[in-house]
Amino acid sequence: AQSVTQLGSHVSVSEGALVLLRCNYSSSVPPYLFWYVQYPNQGLQLLLKYTSAATLVKGINGFEAEFKKSETSFHLTKPSAHMSDAAEYFCAVSENFGNEKLTFGTGTRLTIIP
Amino acid sequence: ETGVTQSPTHLIKTRGQQVTLRCSSQSGHNTVSWYQQALGQGPQFIFQYYREEENGRGNFPPRFSGLQFPNYSSELNVNALELDDSALYLCASSSRDGNTVAFFGQGTRLTVV
Repeated sequence: AQSVTQLGSHVSVSEGALVLLRCNYSSSVPPYLFWYVQYPNQGLQLLLKYTSAATLVKGINGFEAEFKKSETSFHLTKPSAHMSDAAEYFCAVSENFGNEKLTFGTGTRLTIIP
Repeated sequence: ETGVTQSPTHLIKTRGQQVTLRCSSQSGHNTVSWYQQALGQGPQFIFQYYREEENGRGNFPPRFSGLQFPNYSSELNVNALELDDSALYLCASSSRDGNTVAFFGQGTRLTVV
């Protein structure tokens, strides 16, 4: 069975500060890992994915994440927060790619302080 | 914009009724997955369809059923609606053969009263 734990249901950072959203996973097989963003009353938009290639993955909107097998982590970072980054962020894990059945974390709401 | 469209965007149903939600997958995608997202929660996997066959199911009762059509669009049907079925229902399309990642639609917000 797979699972994802997102530490911190709410994170607040100042505009221009570093964004760090934490995700730890549990998987019995090499995982595929994803970060999605959800704006209010909208669906999910893929930020980035890890599919066993490079461990440092760059995504859209300046976000990146690093796969650390020894720590079973896939934390999401952005060097400088922008007001438009305020949203809900979900980490997800899957055993497959292309027909993935995603297991999501409970989400982290990111608030940007002006 | 992902090219995955869901209809309707919102609807309100009464407990005990039945509902059908629809999803048009992105061009070239042959796999559709459905997720339920309760308020304040992460999405939960309901089931997946690949080439018109169910290809995996999450921990949802049989009153949640689905279909996939030859054009790879899909329906989610829920019978005997319960108040706890109130949620955002998300559809995601992908291509198992082409190894593409899943793209999500905007969702259908179902309220059961």
